[in-house]
Amino acid sequence: EVQLLESGGDLVQPGGSLRLSCAASGFTFRNYAMTWVRQAPGKGLEWVSIITAGGDYTYYSDSVRGRLTISRDSSQNTLFLQMTSLRADDTAIYYCARVTIEGAFDSWGQGTLVTVSS
Amino acid sequence: EIVMTQTPLSLPVTPGEPASISCRSSQSLLDSNDGNTYLDWYLQKPGQSPQLLIFTLSYRASDVPDRFSGSGSGTDFTLRISRVEADDVGVYYCMQRLEFPYTFGQGTNLELK
Repeated sequence: EVQLLESGGDLVQPGGSLRLSCAASGFTFRNYAMTWVRQAPGKGLEWVSIITAGGDYTYYSDSVRGRLTISRDSSQNTLFLQMTSLRADDTAIYYCARVTIEGAFDSWGQGTLVTVSS
Repeated sequence: EIVMTQTPLSLPVTPGEPASISCRSSQSLLDSNDGNTYLDWYLQKPGQSPQLLIFTLSYRASDVPDRFSGSGSGTDFTLRISRVEADDVGVYYCMQRLEFPYTFGQGTNLELK
């Protein structure tokens, strides 16, 4: 069974940093691209970033480029999202998801909450 | 970026009746290189993470009932549910992945009458 478990969400002050993790199990992690999607409280889904299976290519939404960095460690079966220069509008539940060979997001974690507030 | 617009935003449906949700993109989602249309549909049930329903316009994801179907072309797309069941309640999102940044529609909240 595919499992994705996010962690690292917390309350952080504006301008602060945080690192999210997504522990994967139940599939061959190194063979799949992975992605982050976020959801502000009471709002819709917003795609954040994606990383290829080999970790050689990454893409970002305009709102996070330069502040958030996606990475992966296939030896640990873990996806990361390094967050810096955090702003109030980064407050959201952050979901990691597996990307199929076709490119869709077929398995999602339960999410981790990031709150940016003073 | 490609803007995705869903209608309606709220959809009350009687159980057993059909339902349809529309999604429009600001530019064509047809990839001229491979002929695929990169439009997916997701459902977020109350209190849950999103789940994949339909990918690449019309392909049902694993374990998705055949009551769900996706169709459309170019910039206009439709998700249809042939007979709504109680378990179908939630917010439905379309998403384009033709080009970065990927973008979602605002969501359509399906509820039972």
